[in-house]
Amino acid sequence: NAGVTQTPKFRILKIGQSMTLQCTQDMNHNYMYWYRQDPGMGLKLIYYSVGAGITDKGEVPNGYNVSRSTTEDFPLRLELAAPSQTSVYFCASSLPRSSGRNIQYFGAGTRLSVL
Amino acid sequence: GENVEQHPSTLSVQEGDSAVIKCTYSDSASNYFPWYKQELGKRPQLIIDIRSNVGEKKDQRIAVTLNKTAKHFSLHITETQPEDSAVYFCAATTGNQFYFGTGTSLTVIP
Repeated sequence: NAGVTQTPKFRILKIGQSMTLQCTQDMNHNYMYWYRQDPGMGLKLIYYSVGAGITDKGEVPNGYNVSRSTTEDFPLRLELAAPSQTSVYFCASSLPRSSGRNIQYFGAGTRLSVL
Repeated sequence: GENVEQHPSTLSVQEGDSAVIKCTYSDSASNYFPWYKQELGKRPQLIIDIRSNVGEKKDQRIAVTLNKTAKHFSLHITETQPEDSAVYFCAATTGNQFYFGTGTSLTVIP
């Protein structure tokens, strides 16, 4: 049972480049999330999904896009990377609130630098 | 949206002493309050959580208290050990979106 798996672990991008951060989970969780964590700060929600085909914006969605074609996968797309997107990105998954067990499980993170 | 504030931002304690971290939230509809521990370079990991129908929860040396009227909740760590040194985050949610505090860096001095 791998849990939440993120790839890549590290990446350096040039300004204006694009990339996709991959996230997959094998716990059959409906809910998936993308956060960014800037140095010395808490986690800010970028996008989340409550199930395949459904996505919603979080607190800081500008400059990012997501898709959720399957229950397992929730990729995060950066178009036209900017230095302000330098951060550590965490993917997480959970059961729905209605389950009473909506504990979030996090991936190991992707450290992204935009230069 | 919800606003979660966390204090203090840094905390140093002697080994064996207690540590207390406090969080306040703004949305009275928030009903689930997890606490995460994040070691340097690692992912956040849940250490304890509390739901709005409970006032206190304990798990060995860790406890969380919730005051719904005042909209604040606290993490208590007793008999601290060097391995408790990490950054601790509180969070609040009404269901779908989780809002995190800015973290407390705890250092336990041997």
